[in-house]
Amino acid sequence: DIQMTQSPSTLSASVGDRVTITCRASQGINSWLAWYQQKAGKAPKLLIYKTSSLESAVPSRFSGSGSGTEFTLTISSLQPDDFATYYCQQYNSYPWTFGQGTKVEIK
Amino acid sequence: QVQLVESGGGVVQPGRSLRLSCAASGFTFSNYFMHWVRQAPGKGLEWVAVISNDGSQKYYADSVKGRFTISRDNSKSTLYLQVNSLRAEDTAVYYCARDMPILCYDYWGQGTLITVSS
Repeated sequence: DIQMTQSPSTLSASVGDRVTITCRASQGINSWLAWYQQKAGKAPKLLIYKTSSLESAVPSRFSGSGSGTEFTLTISSLQPDDFATYYCQQYNSYPWTFGQGTKVEIK
Repeated sequence: QVQLVESGGGVVQPGRSLRLSCAASGFTFSNYFMHWVRQAPGKGLEWVAVISNDGSQKYYADSVKGRFTISRDNSKSTLYLQVNSLRAEDTAVYYCARDMPILCYDYWGQGTLITVSS
């Protein structure tokens, strides 16, 4: 199984900050990586697919990058609505696996 | 608009069974692979199972293999998860999700909670 290691697990930041979350895969995943945002009590929401493609209607302050086994989600200027938990997921091979999540908190 | 609505969760004793349903609408259900993903209280997301659009292919997480069965009825646009031999560690919100090729999960249901407790 492919293990996904996400860091940090918690991140404290202020509105307007640039935020970067990292996800490392235990083996190559051919860029089949997605990022989700989840708020308390809600289903996850797709932000980024295929490493760097922005899902429709997702604000352009979100971006994804990476290759091989190292991937990042960047929020260029953190907004109040962005305080949430973020997950990466590989969908290169079954079992699809998620990172353990990064909670973005208000500093 | 696309909607996925789960049902069938509840409080159940260890060792018992439940069947979860996910009613789909707003798209041609029979064209898509469908997944179940779960989330234990306060924990992260865990992929559970997937079924192909015609039901011929099924894959499971090791943690549920042999106890859970994914199925679908394309005539009813409904996805199912039969969960047997439930354990305390199966306590979670269970989400169904649509697998959009390239995009991964573009739509999720609101989730249904299974609580396994004596």
